[in-house]
Amino acid sequence: DGGITQSPKYLFRKEGQNVTLSCEQNLNHDAMYWYRQDPGQGLRLIYYSQIVNDFQKGDIAEGYSVSREKKESFPLTVTSAQKNPTAFYLCASQPLGSYNEQFFGPGTRLTVL
Amino acid sequence: AQSVTQLDSHVSVSEGTPVLLRCNYSSSYSPSLFWYVQHPNKGLQLLLKYTSAATLVKGINGFEAEFKKSETSFHLTKPSAHMSDAAEYFCVVLSGGSNYKLTFGKGTLLTVNP
Repeated sequence: DGGITQSPKYLFRKEGQNVTLSCEQNLNHDAMYWYRQDPGQGLRLIYYSQIVNDFQKGDIAEGYSVSREKKESFPLTVTSAQKNPTAFYLCASQPLGSYNEQFFGPGTRLTVL
Repeated sequence: AQSVTQLDSHVSVSEGTPVLLRCNYSSSYSPSLFWYVQHPNKGLQLLLKYTSAATLVKGINGFEAEFKKSETSFHLTKPSAHMSDAAEYFCVVLSGGSNYKLTFGKGTLLTVNP
């Protein structure tokens, strides 16, 4: 059963704590992405990686960090420097090549208490 | 630079009536365009995509969209709405200068009334 998994589905964090969101894919896709979704704003790109051990900042990278040690995994850490972290976070993967669509995971809803 | 405008933030239809969700785009290159659907607290699922082949694109669940270059539009339609179509829909453009940079519209919430 191929696809993208994200865990946990719901996550609660106290202010000042770092938290890591998991994203795993078994689609053998080279590229992976993290997006943040807020009501009425569509999706905004946080970080992306097109190859293992390499990643690039997206449009809203401040307060976030990532790693890409394995092709299958692209965890996102939300640090205490992110001032407004409460949001729905979506991970996606994509086979490299022209005009290929991205495949999305089910998302993680992060709430800061 | 590229952008996407979804002209309606909310569309409400009755079950069995046609659906029209409007999308206009701008792109410096020949674009690829996508429609995704998102049910509450779920990920996004691809409905259909346009990649410079046929201008009328058929997707899953009876949806289709027509690419109109002269109008810079890519509206999504369905002849007859089902209750299960109630969801949020996103129009997305992929720049021809990149194979990764997606620009999302702000979404249209579709409500289907019985």
